Amino acid sequence: DAGVIQSPRHEVTEMGQEVTLRCKPISGHDYLFWYRQTMMRGLELLIYFNNNVPIDDSGMPEDRFSAKMPNASFSTLKIQPSEPRDSAVYFCASTKDRGFGEQYFGPGTRLTVT
Amino acid sequence: AQKVTQAQTEISVVEKEDVTLDCVYETRDTTYYLFWYKQPPSGELVFLIRRNSFDEQNEISGRYSWNFQKSTSSFNFTITASQVVDSAVYFCALSEAGDDKIIFGKGTRLHILP
Repeated sequence: DAGVIQSPRHEVTEMGQEVTLRCKPISGHDYLFWYRQTMMRGLELLIYFNNNVPIDDSGMPEDRFSAKMPNASFSTLKIQPSEPRDSAVYFCASTKDRGFGEQYFGPGTRLTVT
Repeated sequence: AQKVTQAQTEISVVEKEDVTLDCVYETRDTTYYLFWYKQPPSGELVFLIRRNSFDEQNEISGRYSWNFQKSTSSFNFTITASQVVDSAVYFCALSEAGDDKIIFGKGTRLHILP
């Protein structure tokens, strides 16, 4: 079975541009999580969905960040406008067992904003 | 509030040595779950183990072993006869019962020197 799929793997953009990161969770997994990883802050949870509904977006840093999950097999994380401090690796993860289930992570998207 | 502390930021050992990665957690719940994840240089986080709070038995899987002690709120990870392929960042994580989220520690970067 395919794991969590993320695209693009690398994204380089200029400050002020819109960035869209994509994620396809593992089929049958009801929970989808977006994380951001930086050297300074480690692994931070940005937002998560259950059955396509956003449950907790308290980790989203600013209004410039938004996330959607239009169906069970696709989610997007959008940054508009992007800033250099948004440079990080963004991971998507999915699980079927709430907090006690192991989360399966995608390969991540390395975002560089110049 | 739940919290996970990995005091060792970075460890270097010579191949074939044993190494222990420390993890201390804080929670007020009596039911919770502890995890270890590995992040190799390729970047993707890989699930290693999950323990629930009612199971204090130590776990061994090949060269990997985990020591869970509720009395000291610790969930330490030992690699026996380390190998270069064990070089990675290792994350300890905690989830409380009824919570969808997993809280990750800052990670320990492990270097296995040939």
